[in-house]
Amino acid sequence: EVQLVESGGGLVQPGGSLRLSCAASGFTFSNYWMSWVRQAPGKGLEWVATIKQDGSEKFYVDSVEGRFTISRGNSKNSLFLQMDSLRVEDTAVYYCARGIDCSGDCYPHPRWFDPWGQGTLVTVSS
Amino acid sequence: SYVLTQPPSVSVAPGQTARITCDGNKSANKRVHWYQQKAGQAPTLVISDDSNRPSGIPDRFSGSNSGNMATLTISRAEAGDEADYYCQVWDSNSEHMIFGGGTRVTVL
Repeated sequence: EVQLVESGGGLVQPGGSLRLSCAASGFTFSNYWMSWVRQAPGKGLEWVATIKQDGSEKFYVDSVEGRFTISRGNSKNSLFLQMDSLRVEDTAVYYCARGIDCSGDCYPHPRWFDPWGQGTLVTVSS
Repeated sequence: SYVLTQPPSVSVAPGQTARITCDGNKSANKRVHWYQQKAGQAPTLVISDDSNRPSGIPDRFSGSNSGNMATLTISRAEAGDEADYYCQVWDSNSEHMIFGGGTRVTVL
């Protein structure tokens, strides 16, 4: 069974940092695009960042560019999101999500998000 | 940047058909994907590449994409279909994944 489990969320003050992790199992993690998507309380979905299967390409939404860093550890089937200079508006549930299999002809982007983890809540508040 | 516009809400009677639209400039040139998010749960992919159903998704769910509009159709609506639905594309100009604002479907 494919599974994604996020961890690392919590309460942090504005300007602080937090590192999210996503543990993947049930599939060959090193073959897939991976992403982070967030959802502010009562709001819609917002894509945050995406990384290619070998880490060679990364994409970010404009609002986090330069503050957040996506990375992965293929040997440990893990995805990470380092969040620095956090703002109140970064408060959200952060989901880890799998993209398309990149083991053959690699698509230039993740195409979709399937499946998703259950999410971890990040609250930025003083 | 590329924008996808969805109606905030759609209501449907049990057994009837709900249609959720996703309006984007020349959306037919992009592959549109749809997600269902039930209350308190993570989203689930229900339609990929405009009209493909992933394994386990009932055939009551279908999708189409033409011109500037993609549509998710839920046939024979059930109470269990009540959820928020989001469309999504990849915008090659900005190199961003884009979501629509979401549509809340209520089965009356």
